[in-house]
Amino acid sequence: GAGVSQSPRYKVAKRGQDVALRCDPISGHVSLFWYQQALGQGPEFLTYFQNEAQLDKSGLPSDRFFAERPEGSVSTLKIQRTQQEDSAVYLCASSLAGRGTEGYTFGSGTRLTVV
Amino acid sequence: AQSVTQPDIHITVSEGASLELRCNYSYGATPYLFWYVQSPGQGLQLLLKYFSGDTLVQGIKGFEAEFKRSQSSFNLRKPSVHWSDAAEYFCAVVSTDKLIFGTGTRLQVFP
Repeated sequence: GAGVSQSPRYKVAKRGQDVALRCDPISGHVSLFWYQQALGQGPEFLTYFQNEAQLDKSGLPSDRFFAERPEGSVSTLKIQRTQQEDSAVYLCASSLAGRGTEGYTFGSGTRLTVV
Repeated sequence: AQSVTQPDIHITVSEGASLELRCNYSYGATPYLFWYVQSPGQGLQLLLKYFSGDTLVQGIKGFEAEFKRSQSSFNLRKPSVHWSDAAEYFCAVVSTDKLIFGTGTRLQVFP
């Protein structure tokens, strides 16, 4: 596609509910990144894929967070047993190559509100 | 670990005035640096990037940034601000293939 597509755009979850956030990267982009952006903050790195391999998951805040990219294209970020502190905008980005020298293209994000 | 610092949380300028947003990086070698802009409820849009070569980088929307190794800075500038430039601006550096962002500077533009 022309850009990075994320769905849903908005998600309201009750505390304790599981959620799944989807990211469709730009076709042909090798690298895919997930970020978490709390209100009034800069984006914080969560995890990074190169094709289907998850190369870095050092930013995942707890074992309730899980990401996958099984065929090297679409990625899903799953949050189990959501907590109020998980409320944030989740941004996905893709880049053509691993070093990101062509830049990173971001989606519009999914705004998650846990009530 | 590589990082960037944006010392100004909030800046207010009048429309037509010049603008400079500060960004300082911590990195031993030549860093890969970016500036992104985020309008309310929107994703991040790339303004410009620096990898090597000419230290003055031109970007979209009339923005430019200058890489100064001696000051570890990569400040964003615009000679004449438009009301539509009001947004959040993020400086970022590549660290082991991932972008690390600063905390952002919120730009407010008065008519």
